[in-house]
Amino acid sequence: DAGVIQSPRHEVTEMGQEVTLRCKPISGHNSLFWYRQTMMRGLELLIYFNNNVPIDDSGMPEDRFSAKMPNASFSTLKIQPSEPRDSAVYFCASWLTPGIYTGELFFGEGSRLTVL
Amino acid sequence: GQQVMQIPQYQHVQEGEDFTTYCNSSTTLSNIQWYKQRPGGHPVFLIQLVKSGEVKKQKRLTFQFGEAKKNSSLHITATQTTDVGTYFCAGPRNSGAGSYQLTFGKGTKLSVIP
Repeated sequence: DAGVIQSPRHEVTEMGQEVTLRCKPISGHNSLFWYRQTMMRGLELLIYFNNNVPIDDSGMPEDRFSAKMPNASFSTLKIQPSEPRDSAVYFCASWLTPGIYTGELFFGEGSRLTVL
Repeated sequence: GQQVMQIPQYQHVQEGEDFTTYCNSSTTLSNIQWYKQRPGGHPVFLIQLVKSGEVKKQKRLTFQFGEAKKNSSLHITATQTTDVGTYFCAGPRNSGAGSYQLTFGKGTKLSVIP
């Protein structure tokens, strides 16, 4: 299996520009998670989907952030307009929704965003 | 809401020394997971503990789940430079309708001095 695939791996943009990050979960996985990682705040859950439906978006910082999952094999995280404080590594992760004994969460390699 | 706390935040050890990181949850957990993130990499699953008081070993790594299922530890014996990275614990949270998410601790960043 190819694993969770994210693009782009690196993005440098200027403040005010729109940024779109993409994720392809592992085939057969029905839950997809978007995390943001910074030195100050660690690994924060932004939003997650179960069977393509957003379940919890309470971690989305503000209206500038939006996420979609139009089908089981693709999700996007969009920031519009971007700000320097959005600079971080954004990880996508997926799993096959387990029972109460949760299984392994598979992470993509991340998208490193720098907003100048 | 559920909080997962880890200490220490940073640990510098001489190669060959032991290392331990501790994880505490504000709520009782059904299970706890540990992940390792190498510098510049992504978190990778190490292990899951399910039973109260469970102890599991992976070569030089020993994982323990507390009796009350609210705390856990990871101990590395005789650290090597390949152990460098950030170690995260994570606990599941039921989001309802049969879906779960993981709450991660802030991690312990391990540096090994050769």
